[in-house]
Amino acid sequence: EPEVTQTPSHQVTQMGQEVILRCVPISNHLYFYWYRQILGQKVEFLVSFYNNEISEKSEIFDDQFSVERPDGSNFTLKIRSTKLEDSAMYFCASDRGGRGGVNEQFFGPGTRLTVL
Amino acid sequence: AQSVSQHNHHVILSEAASLELGCNYSYGGTVNLFWYVQYPGQHLQLLLKYFSGDPLVKGIKGFEAEFIKSKFSFNLRKPSVQWSDTAEYFCAVTSNFGNEKLTFGTGTRLTIIP
Repeated sequence: EPEVTQTPSHQVTQMGQEVILRCVPISNHLYFYWYRQILGQKVEFLVSFYNNEISEKSEIFDDQFSVERPDGSNFTLKIRSTKLEDSAMYFCASDRGGRGGVNEQFFGPGTRLTVL
Repeated sequence: AQSVSQHNHHVILSEAASLELGCNYSYGGTVNLFWYVQYPGQHLQLLLKYFSGDPLVKGIKGFEAEFIKSKFSFNLRKPSVQWSDTAEYFCAVTSNFGNEKLTFGTGTRLTIIP
């Protein structure tokens, strides 16, 4: 069964450093998402991406964040200058699209980002 | 703006007990509703979803949920839990426009005692 994959599983970085989190969505999916979960808190939406552009972003997704689909398979989240409060589990998700219909998002296993 | 409330933060049950986890949402329009499960060390998996039609939906592993529009609720149930149901359970909502962000509740940790 196809699945969403994410690398790395755990990333440790120093405050102020740039990090890139990578995701490979399911191959025939058209919509891509990033969520994060700070330890002990709820899963929060960061950004959605469709047709090579951002569809929606939350207030968390400020100028320090960017997303890219550099090729036909990868979907990346970049944090330009990490802060301590960026420490969280970051989940990528994808869905195949279909307006008003089956709208199931499939999640990857997550990348645990630790900012020291 | 959408919001989701899960009132039970941690539920502890013995095997074979019945389960009901509460979920209430706030949204002015038509919604799609979901329950996701996260087993220890694994990623979020969809248990069940409601889009329209029969408000009682059945999912995997014997779970079901009932959408009660008048109460803005979508409670998860299972008549007899197993030790393997130990996990974190998340209720989530999207608008009915399709391909929208999921808004999650805070989650309920379920611990089943053998």
